[in-house]
Amino acid sequence: EIVMTQSPATLSVSPGERVTLSCRASQSVSSNLAWYQQKPGQPPRLLIYGASTRATGFPARFSGSGSGTDFTLTISSLQSEDFAVYYCQQYNTWPPYTFGRGTKLEIK
Amino acid sequence: EVQLVESGGGLVKPGGSLRLSCAASGFTFSNYRMTWVRQAPGKGLEWVSYIGISGSYIYYADSVKGRFTISRDNAKNSLYLEMNSLGAEDTALYYCARIYDSNVYEVFDIWGQGTMVTVSS
Repeated sequence: EIVMTQSPATLSVSPGERVTLSCRASQSVSSNLAWYQQKPGQPPRLLIYGASTRATGFPARFSGSGSGTDFTLTISSLQSEDFAVYYCQQYNTWPPYTFGRGTKLEIK
Repeated sequence: EVQLVESGGGLVKPGGSLRLSCAASGFTFSNYRMTWVRQAPGKGLEWVSYIGISGSYIYYADSVKGRFTISRDNAKNSLYLEMNSLGAEDTALYYCARIYDSNVYEVFDIWGQGTMVTVSS
């Protein structure tokens, strides 16, 4: 099973700041990496797939990069609606699909 | 509107059983693979089970294998999860999700709101 490790667990940031979230796989997942955004009381929402392709409805301030074992999600200028938990997921080698434990973005 | 609506959750005693349902609408259900994902209170996401378009390909997480059964009824646009021998570790919000219509991107593009399962005496 591929283990996904996200860091940091929590990130305190101010609106307008640039933020980078990290996701590392225990073995190569090629570019088969997705990011999901989850707000309180809501289901996860697909944000990025193929490591760098933005899903429908998300603005260009969200970008993903990486391949192999190291991936990043960057939000260029945080807006209030971006404060949420972000999960990475690998779909290169399944079953099982595996998720990271998430990074919570909170307001500083 | 593309939508998934789960139902069937509730409070069940340890060792008990429960059947979850997921009603799909707004898309051609029979063309999509489907999956269940759960989230324990305050915790992260855990993949539970997968079912192919016709139901011929089925996979489970080790944590539920032998206890849970996934199925689908394409005529009713519905996905199911039969859960037996439930334990406290199964307490979670259970989401059904659609798998993106691509053999390249195995991602979950549509999610329901979830149905809560609580296992407690």
